[in-house]
Amino acid sequence: AQKVTQAQTEISVVEKEDVTLDCVYETRDTTYYLFWYKQPPSGELVFLIRRNSFDEQNEISGRYSWNFQKSTSSFNFTITASQVVDSAVYFCALIPGYGGSQGNLIFGKGTKLSVKP
Amino acid sequence: GAVVSQHPSRVICKSGTSVKIECRSLDFQATTMFWYRQFPKQSLMLMATSNEGSKATYEQGVEKDKFLINHASLTLSTLTVTSAHPEDSSFYICSARGGGARNEQFFGPGTRLTVL
Repeated sequence: AQKVTQAQTEISVVEKEDVTLDCVYETRDTTYYLFWYKQPPSGELVFLIRRNSFDEQNEISGRYSWNFQKSTSSFNFTITASQVVDSAVYFCALIPGYGGSQGNLIFGKGTKLSVKP
Repeated sequence: GAVVSQHPSRVICKSGTSVKIECRSLDFQATTMFWYRQFPKQSLMLMATSNEGSKATYEQGVEKDKFLINHASLTLSTLTVTSAHPEDSSFYICSARGGGARNEQFFGPGTRLTVL
């Protein structure tokens, strides 16, 4: 089965706290792509990162970091020193197979993050 | 990233009317466009995939006669919700994908449809 699981439905933190959003994926394919998107209250999906299955290096972009662990099929997302503007729904997504970024996105159910001042 | 627009951003209509939503890729040619539907507090569900010049491929459970998709050019796809009913009220999002360096999917801002 091809599936993305985001077990945390909602998370609430206070500003400046660090927060990690979990993502576990399932695919039989050895080549696949993983994504994170942010959906603020306005509704527009904002692309955050794409990672292919052969690149297990962790990535840091400002306050955002991603931990890709093939051994546990996880692609977790951490926000350091969270801010109110980080409040949004965050989706993890998978494109399985050799279709690469040409395939169809399979979305997790999303995690709603609320950052309180 | 590339820009994808949707029009209208919000529409309210009476039950039984048809509503057309446009999705445009503004600065690249989209060989493939995707239409998603998102119910409140839920994830995006793929409705259909359309390739320019050919019929759309619908996901299981999506009525093709209800949700008409036209991808007449490399920069425009339309979704028409025919004879809309209150249960069609939802947030509809399109994405567009081009070739070469534009292999990513770029999402439009979404259209919120409310059927009274």
